[in-house]
Amino acid sequence: DVVMTQSPLSLPVTLGQPASISCRSSQSLVSSDGDTYLNWFQQRPGQSPRRLIYKVSNRDSGVPDRFSGSGSGTDFTLIISRVEAEDVGIYYCMQGTSWPPWTFGQGTKVEIK
Amino acid sequence: EVQLVESGGGLVQPGGSLRLSCVASGFTFSNYWMHWVRQVPGRGLMWVSHISNDGSGTSYADSVTGRFTISRDSAKNTLYLQMNSLKAEDSAVYFCVRDDPGLGLDFWGQGTMVTVSS
Repeated sequence: DVVMTQSPLSLPVTLGQPASISCRSSQSLVSSDGDTYLNWFQQRPGQSPRRLIYKVSNRDSGVPDRFSGSGSGTDFTLIISRVEAEDVGIYYCMQGTSWPPWTFGQGTKVEIK
Repeated sequence: EVQLVESGGGLVQPGGSLRLSCVASGFTFSNYWMHWVRQVPGRGLMWVSHISNDGSGTSYADSVTGRFTISRDSAKNTLYLQMNSLKAEDSAVYFCVRDDPGLGLDFWGQGTMVTVSS
């Protein structure tokens, strides 16, 4: 199974400042078709997860452009360029390259300082 | 508008059974793979099972293999999860999740809570 490791697990951020979350996989997420199936999800308090980013760096419809994803191979990053109050929640990376199982990172809790 | 509405959760004794349902609307259900993902309150996400768009392919997490069965009824736009021989560690919120072809899991339902306790 592919193990997804996120860091940090807790991220206090000042409003308006950037936030960066790292996600590492135990093996390359490059698929045989050449794509990399690494997604990012946001789970606000009391809500279901919502996908923000698919295939490493593609923002979903309606996702603010302050969210960006990057990376390749086994190392990936989610950046929030300027954190807003509505960004509080837990962020998960997930791989869909080598399945089953589909696997998630442990989650990173973003909170306001 | 895409909607996934789960139901069927509740309190069940260890060794008991439950069947979860997820009614889909707002998209062509028969075109999409579907998944169940669970989350212990306050904890992380764990993938449970998937089913292909026509139901011909399924897979399960090791921890539920042999006890859970995923199925779908495209005429009713409904996804199911039959859960047998339930254990306390199966207690969680169960989410129904759509799989966007070529792009991966995308839309999540609101979840249904399963509690296994005597």
